[in-house]
This record gives sequence, C-alpha cells and structure tokens, in this order.
Amino acid sequence: EVHLVESGGGLAQPGGSLRLSCAASGFTFSDYEMNWVRQTPGQGLEWLSNISISGTTALYADSVKGRFTISRDNAKNSLFLHMNSLRAEDTAVYYCASGTGYFQRWGQGTLVIVSS
Amino acid sequence: DIQMTQSPSTLSASVGDRVTITCRASQNSRDWLAWYQVKPGKAPKLLISKASSLEGGVPSRFSGSGFGTEFTLSISGLQPDDSATYYCQQYNYYPWTFGQGTTVEVK
Repeated sequence: EVHLVESGGGLAQPGGSLRLSCAASGFTFSDYEMNWVRQTPGQGLEWLSNISISGTTALYADSVKGRFTISRDNAKNSLFLHMNSLRAEDTAVYYCASGTGYFQRWGQGTLVIVSS
Repeated sequence: DIQMTQSPSTLSASVGDRVTITCRASQNSRDWLAWYQVKPGKAPKLLISKASSLEGGVPSRFSGSGFGTEFTLSISGLQPDDSATYYCQQYNYYPWTFGQGTTVEVK
C-alpha cells in the first residue's frame, strides 16, 4: 500500500527555520517527481514546490522562492523541505504529494505554526 | 498566475441527489485540469485528471468534463461519504494553481 508520511512540523518563531520530511513507501519513489503543497487555515490549497526525479531541477511558487528549498534522497525514499525566514502567513498544513502537474498520492500532512 | 474560480463555495444536497461544481480558469488550461476531494485530517484524494479521466478506485458516480476555461465536476447519486471539500487544479501553466474549494454537505 502506498504511504507518504510527513514529519517535522511544529511551532516556529517568525524568522526561524524548520525542516520537513516525507517518508515514502509502497511505490517506486525514484520514478516520480515530488511536490510540497500547503493548506492554510481558512484558505485553500497552494502548490509550493516540485522536484525532478533525479533531484537536479526544482521549481517554486513565488511565495516561497528564496526561502524554501526542496530536496530528495532516492536511496532513502525521502523528500525534504527546508524552510527559512518563516512568516506568520506560512502557518499551514504541509503535504507532500507525488506526480507531475497533478498530484496522485498525498500524505496526511504536518502542521506548521509560525508565531512568537 | 492562472486564477481558478469555483462555484458555488458551499452546497447542501440530499442523499441520492446529483450535484455539479463549476471551475473557471482565467486563461486557457486546455484539459490539464484535476479534481481532488479533501476531508479534515485525511490525505487529499485525486478524483479526476485531464479534466475527465477518473482515477482507479474512484466511484463511477464522479465525473468530470470541460476544456479550455470552463470545467465541471458532477456527483450523481450523492452518498454520505461524499461530504468533503472539492478543489479543481490547473496544471497547464506554472505555478500550478487551485480553486478556492467547494464544500459539499450531504443532508
């Protein structure tokens, strides 16, 4: 069975950093592009970042470009999101999701709260 | 960025009803359009890709249609388990963007 399990969320101070992880199982992780998508309280879904199968190419939404970095370790079936310079508006549930363009498989998400 | 506008924002219907959600794109998205079902505390679920292609395991009461700038998701024979928020998403242009969601309540 396919599983994507996010971790690393929690409380962070404005201007602080967090590192999210996503552990994949049940499918060939190295065959799929991966993404981070977030859902902010009271708002909808927002695509944040995509990483190529090899990990050499990454794309970002303008809202996180220059602050967030996506990476992957295919040997460990893991996806990461390094988040720096966090802002209150980054408070959200963060999901990892597989796919190119559309998102075939999703985790259950990890909650990030940015507050002093 | 392409703006995706869903209507209605919420809808309430009875078990067995047919409901339709509309999604409009601010630019031509061809048929690069997906629909998702989101329930609190659960992993979002892909229902439809390429505007009308039903994902494996998704009940046949769900259907999608449209091309260009106007798309619809229909649920025929509404079931209690269909209570959720539904989102459309275009993937013709970066950044990939979602509609604001439509919350479906099953009475």
